[in-house]
Amino acid sequence: KNEVEQSPQNLTAQEGEFITINCSYSVGISALHWLQQHPGGGIVSLFMLSSGKKKHGRLIATINIQEKHSSLHITASHPRDSAVYICAVSQGAQKLVFGQGTRLTINP
Amino acid sequence: DTEVTQTPKHLVMGMTNKKSLKCEQHMGHRAMYWYKQKAKKPPELMFVYSYEKLSINESVPSRFSPECPNSSLLNLHLHALQPEDSALYLCASSPRGANEQFFGPGTRLTVL
Repeated sequence: KNEVEQSPQNLTAQEGEFITINCSYSVGISALHWLQQHPGGGIVSLFMLSSGKKKHGRLIATINIQEKHSSLHITASHPRDSAVYICAVSQGAQKLVFGQGTRLTINP
Repeated sequence: DTEVTQTPKHLVMGMTNKKSLKCEQHMGHRAMYWYKQKAKKPPELMFVYSYEKLSINESVPSRFSPECPNSSLLNLHLHALQPEDSALYLCASSPRGANEQFFGPGTRLTVL
């Protein structure tokens, strides 16, 4: 079993829909990261969380430390949100443990 | 300057060639990383440099040779690679003692 599990693996939705991607982890962490990767591209850090909730524009990330679970929400989704979203956890500095990623496609 | 740059963007090489990938950051970060990413897979950590010293080598084959000449620059020297080494090679950096990593755009490597 992977230390970081994401669901769903693939998600297709229509423009404007509310999107939720889930991440569960089984190890102790110092922080949880949500990352975005467009096809063929580099990785962009969206959020780093150690507790609670963060919001940036249409993106919201939450974490429940007791349940070892985090969610990434996208409101009013748009085709430009189509990308792979990766959950990763830090165990101390320097090492990230990555989930397998969620491939999101938003159709116009 | 708030980004990590990588050159070249694309590289095609034969199995007998020697080439190098370059990564640069001017954010004063003291940790730098090399990752390898195969299609539809998450990145795999290869090397970590901390204060210009190699601190983590994830049992990477010796045909990959990292080098950190100064705190802003990270190289990955490639020699006698195999076709299965074809992948996206990502560089990242992070501030001292911090969890967050800043990624470059990657070099897409094809080994023929």
